[in-house]
Amino acid sequence: NAGVTQTPKFQVLKTGQSMTLQCAQDMNHEYMSWYRQDPGMGLRLIHYSVGAGITDQGEVPNGYNVSRSTTEDFPLRLLSAAPSQTSVYFCASSRLNAQGTGNTIYFGEGSWLTVV
Amino acid sequence: GNSVTQMEGPVTLSEEAFLTINCTYTATGYPSLFWYVQYPGEGLQLLLKATKADDKGSNKGFEATYRKETTSFHLEKGSVQVSDSAVYFCALTSNTGNQFYFGTGTSLTVIP
Repeated sequence: NAGVTQTPKFQVLKTGQSMTLQCAQDMNHEYMSWYRQDPGMGLRLIHYSVGAGITDQGEVPNGYNVSRSTTEDFPLRLLSAAPSQTSVYFCASSRLNAQGTGNTIYFGEGSWLTVV
Repeated sequence: GNSVTQMEGPVTLSEEAFLTINCTYTATGYPSLFWYVQYPGEGLQLLLKATKADDKGSNKGFEATYRKETTSFHLEKGSVQVSDSAVYFCALTSNTGNQFYFGTGTSLTVIP
């Protein structure tokens, strides 16, 4: 059971470089999202999507782009990396439920990004 | 708006001690409540959940009861083990949308 798969697991970037964190899920989930996790700040939502072709901003979207061309994939692009983007990134997915109750969100294993 | 507040850590306990991690929430509508656990170097995994008032979620000896009157979902375990050392996150999702709201996490270390 693959679940949510993120790549790469570790990456070091130089300031100003761009890169894409890949995320794929095989559970046919409509909802996908990206979080960053920083010490003392918990998880903060970057972007999310409720279906192919639909994306929206979360709490901390600046410096990041997303697209959702298929149900399975939800890549996160860093346009011009900055040291403030050093963090652990998690992709997550869940079913959409019109009632909005009881959905479990499933996480990938994380991507450790360092910007120097 | 929706938010989750959980007790700050870190928490250090001896093996077989009783654990409580407090979690309170603010939500519109009727939220579902969750506890997630993150072991070192891994992503978050669902530990337990409750979808309506007075429901009790339980798993691996952990329990939490959805208390609407006190807007709380405290995590408890009667006897912790070294293998329970992890970061625990309280979370909610409202019935009006699909976004998840997480607390800041509580780090637990259990010493032999």
